[in-house]
Amino acid sequence: DIVMTQSPDSLAVSLGERATINCKSSQSVFFSSNNKNNLAWYQQKPGQPPKLLVYWASTRESGVPDRFSGSGSGTDFTLTISNLQAEDVAAYYCQQYYNYPWTFGQGTKVEIK
Amino acid sequence: EVQLVESGGGLVQPGGSLRLSCAASGLTFSNYWMHWVRQAPGKGLEWVSRISSDGSGTTYADSVKGRFTISRDNAKSTLYLQMNSLRAEDAAVYYCIGSSGWPGYWGQGTLVTVSS
Repeated sequence: DIVMTQSPDSLAVSLGERATINCKSSQSVFFSSNNKNNLAWYQQKPGQPPKLLVYWASTRESGVPDRFSGSGSGTDFTLTISNLQAEDVAAYYCQQYYNYPWTFGQGTKVEIK
Repeated sequence: EVQLVESGGGLVQPGGSLRLSCAASGLTFSNYWMHWVRQAPGKGLEWVSRISSDGSGTTYADSVKGRFTISRDNAKSTLYLQMNSLRAEDAAVYYCIGSSGWPGYWGQGTLVTVSS
């Protein structure tokens, strides 16, 4: 199984500042047949299902604010939230869909400092 | 608008059975691979199972293999998860997900409680 490890487990960021969440996979999730990294990022608020933010490591889902951006390739990935807003307080998860079983990071909680 | 609506959750005793359903609308259901992912209270996300678009291929997490069965009815645009021999550790919110290359659509989830 591919192990997904996020860092940090939690972080507190001031409003308007940048939050950076890292995700490392135990093996590459780059699919050479389509030249894409099979990596997604989700936001989850209490009592709600996960909301897809980014797929293919860097493609923003329709309707997601452009302050959310994904980057990285191979085994190392980053979700950046620029200009943090109060409504961005949530848990964030990375996920690989390169092979089965799909696996998720343990989550990172973002709070306001 | 795409909607995935799960149902069938509830309270069941250890060793019991439940069948979850996921009704899809707003998408061509037969074009999508479908998945179940679960989340125990206060915990992270765990993938459970997947089924190919025509139902010919299935895969399970080791934790549910031999106890859970995923199926679909493309004529009804509905996904199922038959859960047998339920254990306390199966208690979770179960989400269905539609994927056409990436896990694009998630339902709201249905809660399964396993307790005597």
